[in-house]
Amino acid sequence: DVKVTQSSRYLVKRTGEKVFLECVQDMDHENMFWYRQDPGLGLRLIYFSYDVKMKEKGDIPEGYSVSREKKERFSLILESASTNQTSMYLCAGAGTGYNEQFFGPGTRLTVL
Amino acid sequence: AQSVTQPDIHITVSEGASLELRCNYSYGATPYLFWYVQSPGQGLQLLLKYFSGDTLVQGIKGFEAEFKRSQSSFNLRKPSVHWSDAAEYFCAVLSQGGSEKLVFGKGTKLTVNP
Repeated sequence: DVKVTQSSRYLVKRTGEKVFLECVQDMDHENMFWYRQDPGLGLRLIYFSYDVKMKEKGDIPEGYSVSREKKERFSLILESASTNQTSMYLCAGAGTGYNEQFFGPGTRLTVL
Repeated sequence: AQSVTQPDIHITVSEGASLELRCNYSYGATPYLFWYVQSPGQGLQLLLKYFSGDTLVQGIKGFEAEFKRSQSSFNLRKPSVHWSDAAEYFCAVLSQGGSEKLVFGKGTKLTVNP
């Protein structure tokens, strides 16, 4: 079975902290994505990457950065966490050629 | 720009009843369409997808969806709902431009009464 794992299911951080959310996929997929999910807003794309060291901004990149040093790993970084970044964060991977995206279980981040 | 509308935020059905979840899309060419399901506290799982061909698509868990170009719709259906179908359902369209980005609707939450 394909698998996307995220480093934490639940995370609590303080305002101003630097936060790292890690995502690993075992599918050898070129494309990886970070979304945030909020009630009533659905999934919104933060960043995506189509290759190692390549990244593109999604719809809501402000306050976030990403890193993809290896094909299987895609990290989301909150440089200085704020309370409005309290949310569910979902990572996904997809092969090239209009294939489905495979999602991890999500990280519920609370910023106090 | 592409968009997906799920008109129903919340639907409640009785176990054993039929189900239809609505999805309308805005897209300039032949769309690639998806339905995902999210159980509480979980990530998203693909139910089915439409790329081309037969407009009635069968998926997992007994779900099906019908692509209707004239109505810009891709509604999800199930003839008899089970309590385990209670979840949130998301419709999505593949973004134009050659990337693998998906544009999601805001979701429909399904409650199943015993």
